[in-house]
Amino acid sequence: KQEVTQIPAALSVPEGENLVLNCSFTDSAIYNLQWFRQDPGKGLTSLLLIQSSQREQTSGRLNASLDKSSGRSTLYIAASQPGDSATYLCAVTGGRDDKIIFGKGTRLHILP
Amino acid sequence: DGGITQSPKYLFRKEGQNVTLSCEQNLNHDAMYWYRQDPGQGLRLIYYSQIVNDFQKGDIAEGYSVSREKKESFPLTVTSAQKNPTAFYLCASSMITVGNTIYFGEGSWLTVV
Repeated sequence: KQEVTQIPAALSVPEGENLVLNCSFTDSAIYNLQWFRQDPGKGLTSLLLIQSSQREQTSGRLNASLDKSSGRSTLYIAASQPGDSATYLCAVTGGRDDKIIFGKGTRLHILP
Repeated sequence: DGGITQSPKYLFRKEGQNVTLSCEQNLNHDAMYWYRQDPGQGLRLIYYSQIVNDFQKGDIAEGYSVSREKKESFPLTVTSAQKNPTAFYLCASSMITVGNTIYFGEGSWLTVV
């Protein structure tokens, strides 16, 4: 059964720093991996989608990488801003049960 | 604007009552999903549908029911059989089950009083 883990559960960093969020998964037979942002009490907003054949995707200050063989993905946020404060979730699609499986998220707080 | 609309945003239910959460999308997506999110937890799949008049149980379907009579609509009923229904419910849709970005609505908060 596919399991997705995000460590740490919470992270606080000063404004302006670059940071990395981690996501690991147990079954490497995935179709894609997505990173989402969730603000308190809101739905999820898709940030980046990496297909299984890709190594990374970039959007603005965000860069997501995927290493299928090791079951890992990272979300790199450059020059963090207070508006980046939110919970970031990763989700993988595929694996033996062909479902979308979410991690529990990393709660990010950017200190002004 | 294209998107997914969930209603109501907040709902209070008395024990023993059934309630229905609405989800409408105008993205022309084939697949629709219902997830439940509890504090500090990831999303858990309740039901999903890939085509009109067809749907499948997710990981926590007990106490819930759905219908898919129209492509754009996928309502979720929380029945009295659901023992712990207080949660944040998220509806989502995508073009196909795998390979495409999944889009989410703004969610509905259900509280049992």
